[in-house]
Amino acid sequence: GESVGLHLPTLSVQEGDNSIINCAYSNSASDYFIWYKQESGKGPQFIIDIRSNMDKRQGQRVTVLLNKTVKHLSLQIAATQPGDSAVYFCAENDQGGKLIFGQGTELSVKP
Amino acid sequence: DAGVIQSPRHEVTEMGQEVTLRCKPISGHNSLFWYRQTMMRGLELLIYFNNNVPIDDSGMPEDRFSAKMPNASFSTLKIQPSEPRDSAVYFCASSRGADRLNEQFFGPGTRLTVL
Repeated sequence: GESVGLHLPTLSVQEGDNSIINCAYSNSASDYFIWYKQESGKGPQFIIDIRSNMDKRQGQRVTVLLNKTVKHLSLQIAATQPGDSAVYFCAENDQGGKLIFGQGTELSVKP
Repeated sequence: DAGVIQSPRHEVTEMGQEVTLRCKPISGHNSLFWYRQTMMRGLELLIYFNNNVPIDDSGMPEDRFSAKMPNASFSTLKIQPSEPRDSAVYFCASSRGADRLNEQFFGPGTRLTVL
């Protein structure tokens, strides 16, 4: 029979606007977090990471914010471009050597 | 830099057949990871190796799945016998060193369809 798949959360933004993608993580012992971007038909690609001793880290057009109190992670993309359209995953490392990925958010950029 | 290489890119097989997926990590990387991605379960770690030794295989779904890393430049993931529920995209990733905080680089994936 046909299986029913999950519908990913979707964020739709206008080109040039800022995007904010949110993620809740599960393990309070996790001390390293990563955001990955996955384009259709490709493997996940590293965007930016942050360690638990920080609450903010900036890259080129991207900023990651970490709130350990509520176990929340966000990715901010400035001046979003059509090439930013993809599925974005947060991942946590729980000190056991493994990455645990979130379900993903699909970002759609309207020209 | 060639990146992580996976083959085949697409595999269609019939239930009960053996399937072998191949991965060549980035040269100089000594940690290798196999992931499975489905719409239902997202991206899941199956097994990872460090210096060719399996470190954690707790994500391997059942005995039908096995993985090997005979040398630093090659790994296989085998499913025998395959079942329709194994249909997924299988990714291989590699990272430098044993430090778990090192960035993982993903290959393009193998899309497996089991009929």
